[in-house]
Amino acid sequence: NAGVTQTPKFQVLKTGQSMTLQCAQDMNHNSMYWYRQDPGMGLRLIYYSASEGTTDKGEVPNGYNVSRLNKREFSLRLESAAPSQTSVYFCASSGSFGQYFGPGTRLTVT
Amino acid sequence: GQQLNQSPQSMFIQEGEDVSMNCTSSSIFNTWLWYKQDPGEGPVLLIALYKAGELTSNGRLTAQFGITRKDSFLNISASIPSDVGIYFCAGRNYGGSQGNLIFGKGTKLSVKP
Repeated sequence: NAGVTQTPKFQVLKTGQSMTLQCAQDMNHNSMYWYRQDPGMGLRLIYYSASEGTTDKGEVPNGYNVSRLNKREFSLRLESAAPSQTSVYFCASSGSFGQYFGPGTRLTVT
Repeated sequence: GQQLNQSPQSMFIQEGEDVSMNCTSSSIFNTWLWYKQDPGEGPVLLIALYKAGELTSNGRLTAQFGITRKDSFLNISASIPSDVGIYFCAGRNYGGSQGNLIFGKGTKLSVKP
């Protein structure tokens, strides 16, 4: 039982490049989330998916797109990366007792 | 928008000391959660609270859901070196969807030099 897994763990992009962050959970949770964490800002919600086939914007959705591929997988895409998107990205899924987080992806955009 | 104030921002602990931190909200929450994050890792859920007045323990950790539903505190008794990390509170309000979990900015626990 791996919980929530994310790939890659680290990534460096040049401004304008695109990439997709992958997330998968094996806890059979309906809801999944993408957050970004910046120093002094705590965790901010980018997008979430309450169930397979649905997605909704969070607090900071601009510059991102998401896909809920199936119940297990929820991916985050940066179409044209900008330095302001340098951050640590966390995926989470929600069960009865709260949200459970993956180990994070550290993204640097130069 | 909603705000969740967490204090203190940082604190230094000596092994064996008790530690206390709290969160206050500008609006009513129906769920409070406390997380701990170690460097390079994702937050790990420590305690979840669902009812006003609820007091819940997890080992040396105790958290309470305030009676006003606008605050929560976390106590750590007899701290040990592995308690070092960043602690986050998070709340969800009445009527909020699963996505409306709001996080505090964290309390960083460090060891006294």
